[in-house]
Order: sequence, then C-alpha cells, then structure tokens
Amino acid sequence: NAGVTQTPKFQVLKTGQSMTLQCAQDMNHEYMSWYRQDPGMGLRLIHYSVGAGITDQGEVPNGYNVSRSTTEDFPLRLLSAAPSQTSVYFCASRIDRDVYEQYFGPGTRLTVT
Amino acid sequence: GQQVMQIPQYQHVQEGEDFTTYCNSSTTLSNIQWYKQRPGGHPVFLIQLVKSGEVKKQKRLTFQFGEAKKNSSLHITATQTTDVGTYFCGGSNYKLTFGKGTLLTVNP
Repeated sequence: NAGVTQTPKFQVLKTGQSMTLQCAQDMNHEYMSWYRQDPGMGLRLIHYSVGAGITDQGEVPNGYNVSRSTTEDFPLRLLSAAPSQTSVYFCASRIDRDVYEQYFGPGTRLTVT
Repeated sequence: GQQVMQIPQYQHVQEGEDFTTYCNSSTTLSNIQWYKQRPGGHPVFLIQLVKSGEVKKQKRLTFQFGEAKKNSSLHITATQTTDVGTYFCGGSNYKLTFGKGTLLTVNP
C-alpha cells in the first residue's frame, strides 16, 4: 500500500492564481481531512469528508473548496490564492469517523507571492 | 469551542535526559492521540488513549490520560537523538483538535 499520497510536493503561486492540491489514499478509508500547518499555529482543519459525496467545513475553510467523488481521492482547491495561504498542507485519512488514528500524507509546501 | 493547550512549546535536552510534554483540554475528551513529526516530515501516529487514568508504554515512551480525561502527558525516558521532532497531542470530543506541539531537540 502507498498509504496517503499528495501532489505536488512543492508549489509556488502568484496571488490570484488557482490550483488543486491532490490527495489519494489506497487504504479504503472513509474519513479524509485537509490540514494546514503554520509556524506556531499547529495543525488546523480546513475541510473534511466522512465518505464519498459528503464534505464539511473545518476550522479555517475560507478560500478553499473540496469535493469527494470517490473514496480514494480528496482534492483541495484554492480558488484565488493569497499570501496568507502560504503554508504546508497535509491530507490525512482514517478508517471512519469513530476511529481516530490518522495517517498523514507527506505534505505540499505552498508559497504564494 | 474546544481548545487543546500543549506545554512546553520547546524543550532542549542533553542526550540521556528525560523529557515530558503536557496536553490540557478545555473540555472533557472522549480520547486523545499523540503524534510525532520529524523536522521536514509529516505527523506520524504514536498512540491513542481512551480510558480515564489510562497508561500505555512504548519502549522508552510513557503516555498517560488524566482521571478527568482533560489532560494527558508523554514522557520519554533517556532521550536519544532519534527522538528529535515535534510531539503533538490531538484531543477528540465531537471533533479532533490538535495542540500546537512541543519541539524536542536533543544535544548528543
């Protein structure tokens, strides 16, 4: 199993550009999440999904969209990038909402200039 | 809303010394997890505690969950350079909230 994979590893965007961060897992996990990690701020939840077709907002959802058309994939879309979105983004998955052990992807380091 | 505070923010130790990080929640938790993140890496799940007063050990690491299920600690005995990284707690009630982590550095 590859576990949780994320692409790209690094990305530089200009303000106003849009892009999609990809996340996939091959563990048949129902629950997937997106976090951003900023120095001194810890991990903050952006969006999450309890299963295909179901998504919900986390702590810091503004400026981001998600969809979950399959169990495996959970892409994160930045609609119009802003410098405040410079961060490291982690995708995570777990078996379901009642099992809290999470598996994190390797992360995407995003810089918005 | 639910808040999870973690102290200390940083800890530097000499190799062989012990290390402890503490996690405190503003609300009672149903469970708590601990993760380790190496510099430049991603969080890796270490353990989950569910029961009041629970203590679990993994080699040199000892994890405790408080009686009131509002606090937890991670203790590392005789630190090694391989222990370097940030240790996060994640507290769950109806949602999972992470502490900001404790960065451990070890001087060989």
